[in-house]
Amino acid sequence: AQSVTQPDIHITVSEGASLELRCNYSYGATPYLFWYVQSPGQGLQLLLKYFSGDTLVQGIKGFEAEFKRSQSSFNLRKPSVHWSDAAEYFCAVVPLDNFNKFYFGSGTKLNVKP
Amino acid sequence: SQTIHQWPATLVQPVGSPLSLECTVEGTSNPNLYWYRQAAGRGLQLLFYSVGIGQISSEVPQNLSASRPQDRQFILSSKKLLLSDSGFYLCAWRLAGGPNNEQFFGPGTRLTVL
Repeated sequence: AQSVTQPDIHITVSEGASLELRCNYSYGATPYLFWYVQSPGQGLQLLLKYFSGDTLVQGIKGFEAEFKRSQSSFNLRKPSVHWSDAAEYFCAVVPLDNFNKFYFGSGTKLNVKP
Repeated sequence: SQTIHQWPATLVQPVGSPLSLECTVEGTSNPNLYWYRQAAGRGLQLLFYSVGIGQISSEVPQNLSASRPQDRQFILSSKKLLLSDSGFYLCAWRLAGGPNNEQFFGPGTRLTVL
């Protein structure tokens, strides 16, 4: 069965510092991979996605993520965090045989210190 | 442009009462529709999805049900709410096809069962 692990429940970084949010997945093959962001009390917004090809993908708001097959990881990064990046971030995987089944991690809540 | 609506935005219901949450999409035809639940401190859990009118796939057995009476209307129901049904319910839509079609999320309904 597919599973997604986001090991960090909360992360606090200073504004301007770099950020890396971890995501590991368990699946028999390389699934489709996504990162979403959720502002408090809001729905989710897609940051970026990976299907195949270049393992470093660029997203919106200056985010990027790197797929590492050997580690079954898809970590999200940003070189310089802004106060407006404070939100909750979710990693998701979609199996190759059913594009309707999105499996989400438990999320990482990001706080940004001024 | 496409928009997705959910109502009500918040709901407080006693245990054992019925539930009806509604989701409608505008500006597109024959979307795939999804209901997710986000419990406190947990990620999103896919509850139901629908690829067409009257077609419902259930992902998690529970006392909830879903219906799609019209192409762009998706309803989440319960005959008798449990305390464990409390959470943040999100509706989403995407165009049918491959995973490259992004999921778009509604603003959510906050349900508290007392």
